[in-house]
Amino acid sequence: KQEVTQIPAALSVPEGENLVLNCSFTDSAIYNLQWFRQDPGKGLTSLLLIQSSQREQTSGRLNASLDKSSGRSTLYIAASQPGDSATYLCAVRPSNTGKLIFGQGTTLQVKP
Amino acid sequence: DAGITQSPRYKITETGRQVTLMCHQTWSHSYMFWYRQDLGHGLRLIYYSAAADITDKGEVPDGYVVSRSKTENFPLTLESATRSQTSVYFCASRDTSNQPQHFGDGTRLSIL
Repeated sequence: KQEVTQIPAALSVPEGENLVLNCSFTDSAIYNLQWFRQDPGKGLTSLLLIQSSQREQTSGRLNASLDKSSGRSTLYIAASQPGDSATYLCAVRPSNTGKLIFGQGTTLQVKP
Repeated sequence: DAGITQSPRYKITETGRQVTLMCHQTWSHSYMFWYRQDLGHGLRLIYYSAAADITDKGEVPDGYVVSRSKTENFPLTLESATRSQTSVYFCASRDTSNQPQHFGDGTRLSIL
């Protein structure tokens, strides 16, 4: 059974710092991996989608990497801003299903 | 506006009542999903649908009913609400191709 883990559960950093959020999964047979952002009281916003054949995807200050063989993905946020404060979730889509398996999320606080 | 619309945004009801949460998407995505989000459990899949008239159970389907007579709508019904179904419910959709999954803003349901 595929399991997705995100560590740490919470992270607090000063503004301007570069940071890395981690996501690990137990079964490397995945179709893709998606990173989401969730603001309090809101739905999930898709940030980046990495196909199983890709190593990384970039969008603005965000860079997501995927190492399928080791079951790991990272979300790199450059020059963090207070507006980046949110919960970040990763989700994998196993190869044999159309469903996503979610991690518990990392809650990020960027202090001014 | 294009996207996923969930209604109502907030709902309070009593145990034993039937309640229906609505989800409408304007992209003509094939796949639609219902999740519930609870502290300590993260996002859990209730039901999903690969196309009109095709639905399947997720991780926590008991007490819920879905239908999909039209591609754009995917209502979720609690036939006899229980307090344990108090939660935030999210609808999501995805195209058949290898595209990101998109979420609605959620319905906060309280059962007294």
